[in-house]
Amino acid sequence: EVQLVQSGAEVKKPGESLKISCKASGYSFTTYWIGWVRQMPGKGLEWMGIIYPGDSDTRYSPSFQGQVTISADKSNNTVSLQWSSLKASDTAMYYCARHRREVVTAVDASHIWGQGTMVTVSS
Amino acid sequence: EIVLTQSPGTLSLSPGERATLSCRASQSIISNFLAWYQQKPGQAPRLLIYDASSRATGIPDRFSGSGSGTDFTLTITRLEPEDFAVYYCQQYVGSPKTFGQGTKVEIK
Repeated sequence: EVQLVQSGAEVKKPGESLKISCKASGYSFTTYWIGWVRQMPGKGLEWMGIIYPGDSDTRYSPSFQGQVTISADKSNNTVSLQWSSLKASDTAMYYCARHRREVVTAVDASHIWGQGTMVTVSS
Repeated sequence: EIVLTQSPGTLSLSPGERATLSCRASQSIISNFLAWYQQKPGQAPRLLIYDASSRATGIPDRFSGSGSGTDFTLTITRLEPEDFAVYYCQQYVGSPKTFGQGTKVEIK
């Protein structure tokens, strides 16, 4: 079964660092783009960026460039999303999502979704 | 950046009725690279439609997508109780791959 399983909920303080993960199984990890989507409480979906695990080619939304780091670990079939210094405004649900097709182009819809990781940043 | 505007914000309908959701883009979407997703409370989004009009695997045929250029539509021919949810469109040709703000389909 193709699935993405995300790490558990986190509660952090402003200024702390954090890395959340998305473990893929049931398919060829290196040949599908995986991205991250933010959903702030009661709000809509925001596309953050994507990575191609085969060569770690990474694309960011300008809104998130420099604010987060997306990485892939081929040895563990895991994609991560990392913050060096959290803000209260980072409080949100974060979803990882895999593209539909096994293609090198980044032009595709997101077909397989993780269950989400809730990140709460509060002093 | 391509901005997607969805309308209406909320659609109040009864089971069995037809739902028509609109998604308008700020510029033409090449090759109709537009998707529709459904999200229920407490759940991750689910892909319904890709490439504007192709149904994803396992999606019932009461869901259909149409449109081209800057105007796209998601139609649900006969609403089932499980279809009441929030629906988002997303363009994936440009970067960033932007989402619309969502349309909530609620029970009247």
